[in-house]
Amino acid sequence: DAGVTQSPTHLIKTRGQQVTLRCSPKSGHDTVSWYQQALGQGPQFIFQYYEEEERQRGNFPDRFSGHQFPNYSSELNVNALLLGDSALYLCASSLVVTGNTDTQYFGPGTRLTVL
Amino acid sequence: DAKTTQPNSMESNEEEPVHLPCNHSTISGTDYIHWYRQLPSQGPEYVIHGLTSNVNNRMASLAIAEDRKSSTLILHRATLRDAAVYYCILLDSNYQLIWGAGTKLIIKP
Repeated sequence: DAGVTQSPTHLIKTRGQQVTLRCSPKSGHDTVSWYQQALGQGPQFIFQYYEEEERQRGNFPDRFSGHQFPNYSSELNVNALLLGDSALYLCASSLVVTGNTDTQYFGPGTRLTVL
Repeated sequence: DAKTTQPNSMESNEEEPVHLPCNHSTISGTDYIHWYRQLPSQGPEYVIHGLTSNVNNRMASLAIAEDRKSSTLILHRATLRDAAVYYCILLDSNYQLIWGAGTKLIIKP
Protein backbone atom coordinates (compact mmCIF):
# COMPACT_ATOMS: atom_id res chain seq x y z
CA ASP A 1 0.00 0.00 0.00
CA ALA A 2 1.74 3.15 -1.23
CA GLY A 3 1.81 6.03 1.16
CA VAL A 4 1.74 9.69 0.23
CA THR A 5 4.18 10.53 -2.54
CA GLN A 6 5.45 13.95 -3.60
CA SER A 7 7.45 15.19 -6.54
CA PRO A 8 9.96 16.53 -7.09
CA THR A 9 12.11 15.92 -4.02
CA HIS A 10 14.13 19.07 -4.45
CA LEU A 11 13.68 22.14 -6.62
CA ILE A 12 15.67 25.32 -7.19
CA LYS A 13 14.00 28.38 -8.70
CA THR A 14 14.79 32.07 -9.03
CA ARG A 15 12.74 34.99 -7.79
CA GLY A 16 9.71 35.78 -9.92
CA GLN A 17 9.41 32.30 -11.38
CA GLN A 18 6.47 29.97 -10.96
CA VAL A 19 6.57 26.45 -9.51
CA THR A 20 4.24 23.43 -9.45
CA LEU A 21 4.52 20.72 -6.81
CA ARG A 22 2.68 17.43 -7.03
CA CYS A 23 1.17 15.02 -4.52
CA SER A 24 -0.44 11.60 -4.72
CA PRO A 25 -2.48 10.69 -1.64
CA LYS A 26 -2.43 7.44 0.26
CA SER A 27 -4.63 4.80 -1.33
CA GLY A 28 -8.26 5.24 -0.28
CA HIS A 29 -7.84 8.84 0.85
CA ASP A 30 -9.88 11.64 -0.70
CA THR A 31 -8.62 14.79 1.01
CA VAL A 32 -5.30 16.54 0.46
CA SER A 33 -3.79 19.30 2.59
CA TRP A 34 -0.70 21.36 1.85
CA TYR A 35 1.69 22.83 4.39
CA GLN A 36 4.74 25.07 4.28
CA GLN A 37 7.51 24.35 6.78
CA ALA A 38 10.31 26.86 7.21
CA LEU A 39 13.56 25.68 8.73
CA GLY A 40 13.24 25.09 12.47
CA GLN A 41 9.51 25.77 12.56
CA GLY A 42 6.34 23.74 12.59
CA PRO A 43 4.28 23.30 9.42
CA GLN A 44 1.95 26.14 8.42
CA PHE A 45 -1.38 25.19 6.84
CA ILE A 46 -1.80 26.49 3.28
CA PHE A 47 -5.06 24.91 2.12
CA GLN A 48 -7.05 21.70 1.90
CA TYR A 49 -8.80 20.12 -1.08
CA TYR A 50 -11.76 17.77 -1.08
CA GLU A 51 -13.94 16.78 -4.05
CA GLU A 52 -11.74 18.92 -6.29
CA GLU A 53 -12.55 22.08 -4.37
CA GLU A 54 -10.64 24.15 -1.86
CA ARG A 55 -12.33 23.46 1.46
CA GLN A 56 -10.19 25.49 3.85
CA ARG A 57 -7.40 28.00 3.45
CA GLY A 58 -4.75 29.29 5.81
CA ASN A 59 -3.21 32.74 5.88
CA PHE A 60 -1.38 32.59 2.54
CA PRO A 61 -1.57 35.06 -0.38
CA ASP A 62 -3.29 34.35 -3.67
CA ARG A 63 0.09 33.57 -5.21
CA PHE A 64 -0.46 30.14 -3.67
CA SER A 65 -3.07 28.15 -5.53
CA GLY A 66 -3.94 24.52 -5.90
CA HIS A 67 -5.89 21.92 -7.71
CA GLN A 68 -7.25 18.47 -7.00
CA PHE A 69 -7.86 15.97 -9.79
CA PRO A 70 -10.60 13.31 -10.05
CA ASN A 71 -8.11 10.66 -8.90
CA TYR A 72 -7.58 12.75 -5.70
CA SER A 73 -4.02 13.74 -6.57
CA SER A 74 -3.19 17.39 -6.10
CA GLU A 75 -0.93 20.19 -7.25
CA LEU A 76 0.35 23.25 -5.42
CA ASN A 77 1.25 26.23 -7.58
CA VAL A 78 3.20 29.24 -6.40
CA ASN A 79 3.52 32.29 -8.67
CA ALA A 80 5.97 35.19 -8.51
CA LEU A 81 8.33 33.37 -6.16
CA LEU A 82 9.94 35.30 -3.33
CA LEU A 83 13.06 34.41 -1.37
CA GLY A 84 10.80 33.82 1.64
CA ASP A 85 9.01 31.03 -0.18
CA SER A 86 12.05 28.82 0.34
CA ALA A 87 10.81 25.99 2.55
CA LEU A 88 9.82 22.37 2.77
CA TYR A 89 6.37 21.88 1.26
CA LEU A 90 4.46 19.01 2.77
CA CYS A 91 1.42 17.23 1.42
CA ALA A 92 -0.87 15.28 3.74
CA SER A 93 -3.80 13.05 2.84
CA SER A 94 -6.78 11.92 4.89
CA LEU A 95 -10.35 10.70 4.66
CA VAL A 96 -13.09 13.28 4.89
CA VAL A 97 -14.72 13.13 8.27
CA THR A 98 -17.81 14.61 9.79
CA GLY A 99 -16.17 15.00 13.16
CA ASN A 100 -12.81 16.59 13.86
CA THR A 101 -10.79 13.41 14.30
CA ASP A 102 -8.97 13.77 11.02
CA THR A 103 -5.72 11.76 10.99
CA GLN A 104 -3.34 12.98 8.33
CA TYR A 105 -0.62 11.01 6.57
CA PHE A 106 2.29 13.09 5.34
CA GLY A 107 4.58 12.72 2.39
CA PRO A 108 8.34 13.31 2.60
CA GLY A 109 7.99 16.84 1.26
CA THR A 110 9.48 18.90 -1.55
CA ARG A 111 12.40 21.15 -0.63
CA LEU A 112 12.04 24.42 -2.58
CA THR A 113 14.94 26.83 -2.73
CA VAL A 114 14.39 30.27 -4.23
CA LEU A 115 17.53 32.17 -5.26
CA ASP B 1 -7.48 29.72 17.08
CA ALA B 2 -6.51 27.85 20.22
CA LYS B 3 -2.74 27.50 20.64
CA THR B 4 -0.45 25.02 22.32
CA THR B 5 2.71 25.59 24.37
CA GLN B 6 5.50 23.02 24.58
CA PRO B 7 9.07 23.05 25.92
CA ASN B 8 11.63 23.66 23.19
CA SER B 9 13.60 20.52 23.98
CA MET B 10 13.83 17.58 26.37
CA GLU B 11 16.40 14.90 27.01
CA SER B 12 15.84 11.35 28.14
CA ASN B 13 17.83 8.18 28.54
CA GLU B 14 17.29 5.23 26.27
CA GLU B 15 14.85 2.58 27.55
CA GLU B 16 13.33 4.97 30.10
CA PRO B 17 9.83 6.48 29.97
CA VAL B 18 9.41 9.96 28.53
CA HIS B 19 6.68 12.42 29.46
CA LEU B 20 6.20 15.25 26.96
CA PRO B 21 3.96 18.05 28.31
CA CYS B 22 1.67 20.37 26.37
CA ASN B 23 -0.41 23.30 27.57
CA HIS B 24 -3.55 24.35 25.68
CA SER B 25 -5.37 26.63 28.08
CA THR B 26 -7.65 28.16 25.40
CA ILE B 27 -8.88 24.84 24.04
CA SER B 28 -12.55 24.73 23.12
CA GLY B 29 -14.91 21.93 24.00
CA THR B 30 -14.81 20.37 20.54
CA ASP B 31 -11.07 20.63 19.81
CA TYR B 32 -9.29 17.30 19.56
CA ILE B 33 -5.71 17.04 20.83
CA HIS B 34 -3.38 15.48 18.29
CA TRP B 35 0.28 14.52 18.57
CA TYR B 36 2.54 14.13 15.59
CA ARG B 37 6.28 13.62 15.43
CA GLN B 38 8.80 14.47 12.76
CA LEU B 39 11.98 12.47 12.43
CA PRO B 40 14.96 14.18 10.80
CA SER B 41 14.51 14.72 7.06
CA GLN B 42 11.03 13.18 7.04
CA GLY B 43 7.44 14.37 6.93
CA PRO B 44 5.44 14.39 10.18
CA GLU B 45 4.00 11.10 11.43
CA TYR B 46 0.75 10.67 13.37
CA VAL B 47 1.26 9.45 16.94
CA ILE B 48 -2.03 9.65 18.83
CA HIS B 49 -5.09 11.81 19.44
CA GLY B 50 -7.83 12.23 22.03
CA LEU B 51 -10.70 14.41 23.21
CA THR B 52 -11.34 13.87 26.91
CA SER B 53 -10.30 10.39 27.99
CA ASN B 54 -6.80 9.00 28.20
CA VAL B 55 -5.81 7.06 25.09
CA ASN B 56 -3.36 4.27 24.39
CA ASN B 57 -1.99 2.83 21.17
CA ARG B 58 1.03 0.83 20.11
CA MET B 59 3.21 3.93 19.90
CA ALA B 60 2.32 5.92 23.00
CA SER B 61 -0.21 6.96 25.62
CA LEU B 62 -1.98 10.29 25.89
CA ALA B 63 -2.98 11.60 29.29
CA ILE B 64 -5.47 14.49 29.19
CA ALA B 65 -6.08 16.67 32.21
CA GLU B 66 -9.59 16.74 33.58
CA ASP B 67 -10.03 20.42 32.63
CA ARG B 68 -8.44 19.67 29.20
CA LYS B 69 -6.07 22.63 29.55
CA SER B 70 -3.05 20.37 29.34
CA SER B 71 -2.01 16.95 28.15
CA THR B 72 1.04 14.66 28.31
CA LEU B 73 2.37 12.31 25.68
CA ILE B 74 3.97 9.26 27.26
CA LEU B 75 6.53 7.09 25.51
CA HIS B 76 6.78 4.09 27.77
CA ARG B 77 10.28 2.98 26.79
CA ALA B 78 12.15 5.41 24.58
CA THR B 79 14.56 4.14 21.95
CA LEU B 80 17.07 6.03 19.83
CA ARG B 81 14.54 5.86 16.98
CA ASP B 82 12.15 8.01 19.03
CA ALA B 83 14.46 11.03 18.71
CA ALA B 84 12.33 13.55 16.84
CA VAL B 85 10.41 16.80 17.12
CA TYR B 86 7.06 16.12 18.80
CA TYR B 87 4.15 18.41 18.01
CA CYS B 88 1.08 18.85 20.18
CA ILE B 89 -1.67 20.19 17.94
CA LEU B 90 -5.32 21.11 18.21
CA LEU B 91 -7.67 20.15 15.39
CA ASP B 92 -10.29 22.86 15.33
CA SER B 93 -13.84 22.78 14.01
CA ASN B 94 -12.56 24.01 10.62
CA TYR B 95 -10.52 20.80 10.31
CA GLN B 96 -7.29 22.78 10.50
CA LEU B 97 -4.26 21.58 12.43
CA ILE B 98 -2.68 24.54 14.22
CA TRP B 99 1.00 23.68 14.69
CA GLY B 100 3.48 25.18 17.13
CA ALA B 101 7.26 24.78 17.15
CA GLY B 102 7.17 21.42 18.94
CA THR B 103 9.53 19.77 21.43
CA LYS B 104 12.82 18.35 20.22
CA LEU B 105 13.30 15.06 22.04
CA ILE B 106 16.91 13.96 22.49
CA ILE B 107 17.52 10.34 23.51
CA LYS B 108 20.82 9.57 25.18
CA PRO B 109 22.20 6.03 24.79
